[in-house]
Amino acid sequence: DQQVKQNSPSLSVQEGRISILNCDYTNSMFDYFLWYKKYPAEGPTFLISISSIKDKNEDGRFTVFLNKSAKHLSLHIVPSQPGDSAVYFCAASNNAGNMLTFGGGTRLMVKP
Amino acid sequence: EPEVTQTPSHQVTQMGQEVILRCVPISNHLYFYWYRQILGQKVEFLVSFYNNEISEKSEIFDDQFSVERPDGSNFTLKIRSTKLEDSAMYFCASSELGLAGEDTQYFGPGTRLTVL
Repeated sequence: DQQVKQNSPSLSVQEGRISILNCDYTNSMFDYFLWYKKYPAEGPTFLISISSIKDKNEDGRFTVFLNKSAKHLSLHIVPSQPGDSAVYFCAASNNAGNMLTFGGGTRLMVKP
Repeated sequence: EPEVTQTPSHQVTQMGQEVILRCVPISNHLYFYWYRQILGQKVEFLVSFYNNEISEKSEIFDDQFSVERPDGSNFTLKIRSTKLEDSAMYFCASSELGLAGEDTQYFGPGTRLTVL
């Protein structure tokens, strides 16, 4: 089941620069998208979400962009900080239920 | 800040044994979920629960699994007869409204289940 895909397993960025994490989906019924951050031995921590009626949502250093025609979303982190180093998951849900479908995750490493 | 808690953090059991994983959702949340993540794989949905009933379940959630809200605070996942392939991190989550397409789920720290 590859309904949500994160094609980059890892990303390395210099502190202070922008981190861009990407996510693609195939199910056109998805209408709510979320990004979670996960540290080792912890559960996913909610970061930011976006509804399909929007194309951008911003919260501090985090911005999520949604391109519905391309079935693509991205998370921008500006400026990146070493504490942002973690695994980032995108997840999606549809209006038929509450279950979240997760991507495989991207490991972000922010170098000082 | 309110958070979802889970116990135990690590459970080791023998194949064929029953295990119960426990979760305390955020207090004003009404919807509860279990997910699992097998090592190296994606986080997978198991089941959602509202008003003392299962509202959704995945193919993974077969007859070996059950969920219960035994009191006003706990939410449990029971695996009746564990198999080696049940070894995984199990995450509990809760959400306030359960509005399809608009709700945010908050996750606990997980229970690592190891089946020997």
